[in-house]
Amino acid sequence: RKEVEQDPGPFNVPEGATVAFNCTYSNSASQSFFWYRQDCRKEPKLLMSVYSSGNEDGRFTAQLNRASQYISLLIRDSKLSDSATYLCVVNRRSGGSNYKLTFGKGTLLTVNP
Amino acid sequence: DAGVTQSPTHLIKTRGQQVTLRCSPKSGHDTVSWYQQALGQGPQFIFQYYEEEERQRGNFPDRFSGHQFPNYSSELNVNALLLGDSALYLCASSLVAGQRLNSPLHFGNGTRLTVT
Repeated sequence: RKEVEQDPGPFNVPEGATVAFNCTYSNSASQSFFWYRQDCRKEPKLLMSVYSSGNEDGRFTAQLNRASQYISLLIRDSKLSDSATYLCVVNRRSGGSNYKLTFGKGTLLTVNP
Repeated sequence: DAGVTQSPTHLIKTRGQQVTLRCSPKSGHDTVSWYQQALGQGPQFIFQYYEEEERQRGNFPDRFSGHQFPNYSSELNVNALLLGDSALYLCASSLVAGQRLNSPLHFGNGTRLTVT
C-alpha cells in the first residue's frame, strides 16, 4: 500500500462548482499534513496546511481525520484559475530527528467555462 | 529575498552520460531536499542534505548522489543515465528546525532532464 493515496482523477467541473479531493495515508505516526498546488510544468506550491480542527482559507477548506487517516480538500465556487494538480502531502518522523515529506500522486482539476 | 533557484532549467543527455544539477536554497534555509517527478506522478523523495551531510535517502540507487556546500547550496549528480531518469528534478529548501513543526517546503522551478 502506498504511503499517500489520492483520488486518481482527473476532475472536470464547470465554473462555480464545488469539488472535493480525498487523500488517505498509511502511517499513523504522520504528524503534519499539507495540500500543495502544482500548475502545469511548474513547481509545487503550498496551498494550505491541514490542522486537526479543520481550517478554511477563503473558498478552500481542509479537513483531517486522524482516526481514519484521511485528509480532504474542498473547493467552493471553482474558478478557471483553480485548474491545476492538487498534491496531498504528509510529514512524519523518519528516524532520529529527521522528518520526511511524502507526496501523493496528485489529482488533476480542470475548471471549464 | 531570493527564493530557491535551480540550474539549468532544461537539459538533454544521452544514456550512459552523467549529469549535475544545482540548487541554491531560499535565503535563511539550511536544509536541501531533492525530488524526482516523472510525468503524471507526484514528487518522489531522493535525499536530503543538512550540515553538508546526507541525512536521509529515498529508494533511489547509488547512481544518484549529492553534495551540500558550506553556503547551503547543493548539487545532485546522476551517473550512467537511463531513459527512465527523464523527469523534472525539484530542489526544495527548509529549515531543519521547521521540519518538526508545520513548516512547508519551498521549491525551486526544477530542472527538466531528458535522456535520449
